Amino acid sequence: EAQVTQNPRYLITVTGKKLTVTCSQNMNHEYMSWYRQDPGLGLRQIYYSMNVEVTDKGDVPEGYKVSRKEKRNFPLILESPSPNQTSLYFCASSLRGVANYGYTFGSGTRLTVV
Amino acid sequence: AQKVTQAQTEISVVEKEDVTLDCVYETRDTTYYLFWYKQPPSGELVFLIRRNSFDEQNEISGRYSWNFQKSTSSFNFTITASQVVDSAVYFCALSEYGSGNTPLVFGKGTRLSVIA
Repeated sequence: EAQVTQNPRYLITVTGKKLTVTCSQNMNHEYMSWYRQDPGLGLRQIYYSMNVEVTDKGDVPEGYKVSRKEKRNFPLILESPSPNQTSLYFCASSLRGVANYGYTFGSGTRLTVV
Repeated sequence: AQKVTQAQTEISVVEKEDVTLDCVYETRDTTYYLFWYKQPPSGELVFLIRRNSFDEQNEISGRYSWNFQKSTSSFNFTITASQVVDSAVYFCALSEYGSGNTPLVFGKGTRLSVIA
């Protein structure tokens, strides 16, 4: 089944403890992206990757890192999480351009930083 | 710059009523795509529709219909004979056509509650 898999689905952590949210897709998509969703703000892009070893910042990149060493994986790294990073995170992938191919979204990761 | 406005933050209707969710967008591009997503209480994002800027035909899918009007930059979504299972947050989104990063730009969402 074609899908984007995020792990974990739920995570509670403490301020400052490094964490990684994994994202993997099995569709050979070139384009991958991370979004965060906050109440009243909708979804905002954190980082994106056009292909292997090509990553760049989205609208809200502060406090996050990503890597794209393989085409299928696009982990989101929080080196020192803070409470303002408590949010619902979505990973998404697209064959190439989002507009004409659309996104496949993961199921989301609900992160709480205390 | 792209922008999507969903002016209705929350809507509450009684089951079987029709309801329209508004979406107004801004873009300088002539080629772009519009999307609607549903987010049920379980949290995942469910794709509903994608429309390109050259296709202004209205679309109907069961109880769902979409009205795309370029003249008013709107892409409204109507649910006919609403049901409790339609209760969710609905997002309208826009993506410009291009070869670089063309992310989905989302509106803030409209929370629809359908009361039995």
